Amino acid sequence: AQSVTQLGSHVSVSEGALVLLRCNYSSSVPPYLFWYVQYPNQGLQLLLKYTSAATLVKGINGFEAEFKKSETSFHLTKPSAHMSDAAEYFCAVSDAYSGGYQKVTFGIGTKLQVIP
Amino acid sequence: GAGVSQSPSNKVTEKGKDVELRCDPISGHTALYWYRQSLGQGLEFLIYFQGNSAPDKSGLPSDRFSAERTGGSVSTLTIQRTQQEDSAVYLCASSSRDRGNYEQYFGPGTRLTVT
Repeated sequence: AQSVTQLGSHVSVSEGALVLLRCNYSSSVPPYLFWYVQYPNQGLQLLLKYTSAATLVKGINGFEAEFKKSETSFHLTKPSAHMSDAAEYFCAVSDAYSGGYQKVTFGIGTKLQVIP
Repeated sequence: GAGVSQSPSNKVTEKGKDVELRCDPISGHTALYWYRQSLGQGLEFLIYFQGNSAPDKSGLPSDRFSAERTGGSVSTLTIQRTQQEDSAVYLCASSSRDRGNYEQYFGPGTRLTVT
């Protein structure tokens, strides 16, 4: 069974400060991991994904995440927050061996507030 | 090209009524997913369609919920005898089954309010 835990349902950072959103996963097989972002009244948009290649993954809008197997973590970071980063962020895990079908389990989400 | 579209964007209904929510996936995407997003609950998987295979209905919360996908394209999620706890945003996503492509593309969602 796969699961995702996002620590902190709300995170506030000052504009220009480091963004760190935490995600820990559980999977019985090597996982595929994702971060999605949701802006108000919109659907989810893929930020980045880990699919067993490089452990440091770079995504859109300056975000990156590092897969750490020993810590079962996939934390999302951005060196300098921008006001436009205010949104809800979802970590997700997929068991890629489910008969070719990608069943994705999402975390509960973390709302990021950027303070000017 | 066009993304995933959903209609209506908002739906207000009275308790006990039936509702139908529509999803148009990206052309050529064989996989289609329905999720429910409730406040503080994250995304809850409801149902999955893949081509002509039998759908995975394991996430449907009750027999009041059903979904169909006609012609391998458009999907309709039906909720019968709606209850207040059905109020949520219902998201549809589609993906290609191409090996190595694991991204799900989401529609903007339908916000359902049951009064």
